[in-house]
Amino acid sequence: DVKVTQSSRYLVKRTGEKVFLECVQDMDHENMFWYRQDPGLGLRLIYFSYDVKMKEKGDIPEGYSVSREKKERFSLILESASTNQTSMYLCASSQGSGANVLTFGAGSRLTVL
Amino acid sequence: QKEVEQNSGPLSVPEGAIASLNCTYSDRGSQSFFWYRQYSGKSPELIMSIYSNGDKEDGRFTAQLNKASQYVSLLIRDSQPSDSATYLCAVGGGRRALTFGSGTRLQVQP
Repeated sequence: DVKVTQSSRYLVKRTGEKVFLECVQDMDHENMFWYRQDPGLGLRLIYFSYDVKMKEKGDIPEGYSVSREKKERFSLILESASTNQTSMYLCASSQGSGANVLTFGAGSRLTVL
Repeated sequence: QKEVEQNSGPLSVPEGAIASLNCTYSDRGSQSFFWYRQYSGKSPELIMSIYSNGDKEDGRFTAQLNKASQYVSLLIRDSQPSDSATYLCAVGGGRRALTFGSGTRLQVQP
């Protein structure tokens, strides 16, 4: 009954590497989101998408890019990973044009050495 | 000033007591309010949503919203050790994404 799937639960990368985090949802939701979660800082929005090929910057987009080529898939890209991008990354999706309920994936814990 | 503020805790209550979790927000245009529960190592899961002033009850959980005071709370009655988790307040306004507080850690002592 998994609805939002993040392909990698744990990743270890080196500084400067390109990193892809992938997320797939099977609920036909319009909206998809990438948040990162750090202790004491809560969830912070990186990017979101409300339609195929559409994207909007969130609160902390620097150092990240995204891709949404199909409705069900939303990818987060770190072009050149840095140690300060070590974090838990959470993908979520929602339905509709308002700020509605988010359904989260299991998360991807990224460590950059 | 953070947009959504929560006391980080930990909030410690004995089993069977009422746990009261609070959240304030800065955007007066906010329209939707959510409480998520997050167990250690897991992703957030929705507990309650509330959209209008007043109380909303669901089992042992009650969400309270006061838009004039920009305040939303979650009450957990008859707290159980299984309620021990971090509770995240999330607020929706003019964009499709939610803004989250940093969470309050709740510990229910057996």
